[in-house]
Parts: sequence; C-alpha cells; structure tokens
Amino acid sequence: NAGVTQTPKFQVLKTGQSMTLQCAQDMNHNSMYWYRQDPGMGLRLIYYSASEGTTDKGEVPNGYNVSRLNKREFSLRLESAAPSQTSVYFCASSEVGGASGGAFFGQGTRLTVV
Amino acid sequence: LAKTTQPISMDSYEGQEVNITCSHNNIATNDYITWYQQFPSQGPRFIIQGYKTKVTNEVASLFIPADRKSSTLSLPRVSLSDTAVYYCLVGAMNYGGSQGNLIFGKGTKLSVKP
Repeated sequence: NAGVTQTPKFQVLKTGQSMTLQCAQDMNHNSMYWYRQDPGMGLRLIYYSASEGTTDKGEVPNGYNVSRLNKREFSLRLESAAPSQTSVYFCASSEVGGASGGAFFGQGTRLTVV
Repeated sequence: LAKTTQPISMDSYEGQEVNITCSHNNIATNDYITWYQQFPSQGPRFIIQGYKTKVTNEVASLFIPADRKSSTLSLPRVSLSDTAVYYCLVGAMNYGGSQGNLIFGKGTKLSVKP
C-alpha cells in the first residue's frame, strides 16, 4: 500500500520554464491538497480539491494551477516558474466524515528555480 | 476555519512528559482538533485527533476541556526521536460536503535533549 506518491522527488527549473508535479493516492480518499514549505517555515496551502471534479484556492494560489484528473490523481502545474517558487511541495489526501483520521502526506518534491 | 496559536518552541529532556497546548478560541461546533508531527525533509504525519474530553492512542494523548477553546497534546516519556515540529489544526470534517481546507500554522518546534 503506497499511500500518497509524488513525482518527481527533485527538480531544477530555469526561470520561465513550466512543469507539472504529479500526485496519486491509493486510499480512495475524497480530498486532496497541495502545499509548499519554505525553509524553516510551516506549510502553506496552495490549492485543494474537496472531491473529484472540484478545486479551490488555498492561501497562496498565485502562479499555480491544478487539475483533479480523477479520484486518485491531483496535479500541480507551474506555468512560468519563478525563483520565488523554489520550495518543497507536499501533496496530501484525506477522507471526510466524522473523525477522519487526518491527512496522509507524500514524501515531497524539492523544486529549485534558478 | 478556527485560527490556532501554539508556542513557537519547547525544550525537554529524554524521559520527560511533554505537553504542548494549542489555543483555538473560535472553534466551531463541528470542528475536530488534529495534531501532526513533522520531521525535517518529511511530510507531516498524523498523530491524534479528537472532538472533546480525552483521546489516547499508542503515541500520545489529547486533552480537550469542556469549552474546547484549547487542547493539549501530551507525549509521555519523550526520546531524542521525538524532536520534531508539532502542528495543531482545527477544522470541520463533514460527510457529503466540502472538507474545507487544512490550514497549518507555524507549529511548535520540540527539541529533546539527552
């Protein structure tokens, strides 16, 4: 049981390049999330998807787009990367309803924009 | 979502009990309280979740007073490996509707010394 899988684990981009971060979960969760974490900081929510077919902005959505491809997959796209987007990106998924047991996180994607 | 306030950092020694308190004065009736642990270069990991009174699992206990305006995560007999950042989150988790977003604050950096 893999849980939440992110690809790639590491990426270096040049300013202005585009890329898509992939996330897949095998726990049949309804909700999925994308976060970024800068050095020494807490996690900041970029976008989330409460259920298949829906997406909503989080705290820091500018410069990003997302796609909830199906129930399993939630991708994050940087259309024109900027050095300010250098960060570690985490994808997470969770169930809804009562005491849901919290969210499960992937291992992260370390992105550097030069 | 209810805003949370936690101490920025705490120090402890191996074998001691550690209590981390989180304030959430604006908690709503259907909000649950969830705690996560994060080690460097890893995604957060769910520790414990509760609604009221006391919840205990193999890792920690969570104490929630009757007014639910605060909660305390208790880690019994900490070891060096408990050195991590601990996050308190408050949010609603409802069947059939939007889970809403999971907003992380800055967390509490716990340092356990030998």
